[in-house]
Amino acid sequence: QVQLVQSGAEVKKPGSSVKVSCKASGGTFSSHAIGWVRQAPGQGLEWMGRIIPIVDLSNYAQSFQARVTITADKSTSTAYMELSSLRSEDTAVYYCAREVLGIPYFDDWGQGTLVTVSS
Amino acid sequence: DIQMTQSPSSLSASVGDRVTITCRASQDISNRLAWYQHKPGKAPKLLLYAASRLESGVPSRFSGSGSGTDNTLTISSLQPEDFATYYCQQYYSSPLTFGGGTKVEIK
Repeated sequence: QVQLVQSGAEVKKPGSSVKVSCKASGGTFSSHAIGWVRQAPGQGLEWMGRIIPIVDLSNYAQSFQARVTITADKSTSTAYMELSSLRSEDTAVYYCAREVLGIPYFDDWGQGTLVTVSS
Repeated sequence: DIQMTQSPSSLSASVGDRVTITCRASQDISNRLAWYQHKPGKAPKLLLYAASRLESGVPSRFSGSGSGTDNTLTISSLQPEDFATYYCQQYYSSPLTFGGGTKVEIK
């Protein structure tokens, strides 16, 4: 199993961007896709996108396509999710999660990062 | 996109009860379904994958079944630590989609 440790809580203004990190330790990183899932207050889980670090290939949910960028640094086993043009509806807990090798469900999750968007 | 509909959205049950949660997909997902348990302030935890395969370390009171579009998660004898919200997730096609969740509360 891998441990995923995310960066801390953020408070952002509407219109700004946020970048959340997810550092993996204790297991393989590059060959497993890392996905990002968010949970807005009182809502369910929503998949945002993923990256396969070994080939640096990302794909995104249509609803986030224009605003999200997911990257990875293989040298530090860290994935990043950047969300731009923030609005109040983006207030949520953002999770990174590791996909089972070659199959897109998640066996390891980060602890979550609360992003609050408020003026 | 494949829509995942869970029911009920919440339920109240007692310790020892048998609990069943249903997850219906908008199209056939060929058993490409995972179930997660989510407690407040914690990361979701994988319970089952491929609709019925128990993740290592998960108690055997959890089981899953399904075919085509309809899947169920059953907890055979509810324990105090099982009070949580449960989500299904299809991984048949992108985008990955989750059900709306079922909150299991203490009666």
